[in-house]
Amino acid sequence: GQNIDQPTEMTATEGAIVQINCTYQTSGFNGLFWYQQHAGEAPTFLSYNVLDGLEEKGRFSSFLSRSKGYSYLLLKELQMKDSASYLCAVKGAGNNRKLIWGLGTSLAVNP
Amino acid sequence: GAGVSQSPSNKVTEKGKDVELRCDPISGHTALYWYRQSLGQGLEFLIYFQGNSAPDKSGLPSDRFSAERTGGSVSTLTIQRTQQEDSAVYLCASSLGQGRGTEAFFGQGTRLTVV
Repeated sequence: GQNIDQPTEMTATEGAIVQINCTYQTSGFNGLFWYQQHAGEAPTFLSYNVLDGLEEKGRFSSFLSRSKGYSYLLLKELQMKDSASYLCAVKGAGNNRKLIWGLGTSLAVNP
Repeated sequence: GAGVSQSPSNKVTEKGKDVELRCDPISGHTALYWYRQSLGQGLEFLIYFQGNSAPDKSGLPSDRFSAERTGGSVSTLTIQRTQQEDSAVYLCASSLGQGRGTEAFFGQGTRLTVV
């Protein structure tokens, strides 16, 4: 079967660093995406990884290890506005390249 | 348009009525997805279109749900004989297609309430 696992909830302090992990088992792989979703809003794209390694974009970085079926999203210098749900999604391969989504990690940033 | 547009943004309907939800994807995006999200829950996949065809409609909950896409653009999701458990936010997303790195862009959703 196809499965994506993320922690349900995380808590961190303003100014700190937090790492949100995602493990996946999918039939085929055409990239892994991270999205941010604030309460009551639609998800917005954060990052994309298709090759192993770290992709950095400002305060956010995303890492991928295809051999381990593992990714993480690293958020630095946390701000209160980073409180949101973070969704991991994998694009499949072959004829069906739909996105397979994790249930999301709800991050609470405290002052 | 500049982004994915969904209408209506809110819909309240009586149990047993039919509803039609519309999604207007970003121009040129060949892939289109419908999802359902209940309060505090993850995204529930409904159906995926590539052009006008639907390679995967495995997420449609019952035969009361159907979707179509015409002209490789606008899509409509129809729910017949609505039930209270159909109440949720229905999200549509589109992407450039099957190429790598083609992230999906989401519309703001239709909040459906069945009373």
